[in-house]
Amino acid sequence: EIVLTQSPGTLSLSPGERATLSCRASQSVSSSYLAWYQQKPGQAPRLLIYGASSRATGIPDRFSGSGSGTDFTLTISRLEPEDFAVYYCQQYGSSPKFTFGGGTKVEIK
Amino acid sequence: EVQLVESGGGLVQPGGSLRLSCAASGFTFSSYEMNWVRQAPGKGLEWVSYISSSGSTIYYADSVKGRFTISRDNAKNSLYLQMNSLRAEDTAVYYCARGAYLSVDYWGQGTLVTVSS
Repeated sequence: EIVLTQSPGTLSLSPGERATLSCRASQSVSSSYLAWYQQKPGQAPRLLIYGASSRATGIPDRFSGSGSGTDFTLTISRLEPEDFAVYYCQQYGSSPKFTFGGGTKVEIK
Repeated sequence: EVQLVESGGGLVQPGGSLRLSCAASGFTFSSYEMNWVRQAPGKGLEWVSYISSSGSTIYYADSVKGRFTISRDNAKNSLYLQMNSLRAEDTAVYYCARGAYLSVDYWGQGTLVTVSS
């Protein structure tokens, strides 16, 4: 079973700053199988990125994904107030079908 | 507009059963894989179960295998999760989630299941 480790656990930044979130897999993952989600308190998660770098419908272009193999990154180029949330990476497999990372909380500094 | 609306959550005693339902609308339900994903209070996301568009292929997380059963009724645009032998550690918000692009592209609002005596 592939384990996804996200770092840092918490990222304290100010609006307008750049956020770089890391997701490391315990073994190589196909880029097609890596996704990122945003979750705000009391809300369901929202798909941001699929296939490691493709933005989901309606996602602003300040969100970008990159990486391959075991190291993947979600970058938010300039943080807007609505971007402060928890972010999860996810890997698609066979069994388990989906594996999620532990999450990175982006909080206002 | 894609909508997924869960129901059936509530308080149940350890060892008890619940059946969750998810009503889907705004898309061709029979064309999509579906999942249940849960989130314990203050914790991260945990995938629970998957069902293919036709219902012929099913997977479960090890933590629920043998206790939970996923099913769907494409004629009723509905997804279900029968949960038996519930444990305290099953306490969570359960999300109905549509599979697409090797990820989950739409989520319901969730239904809370609390297992406690």
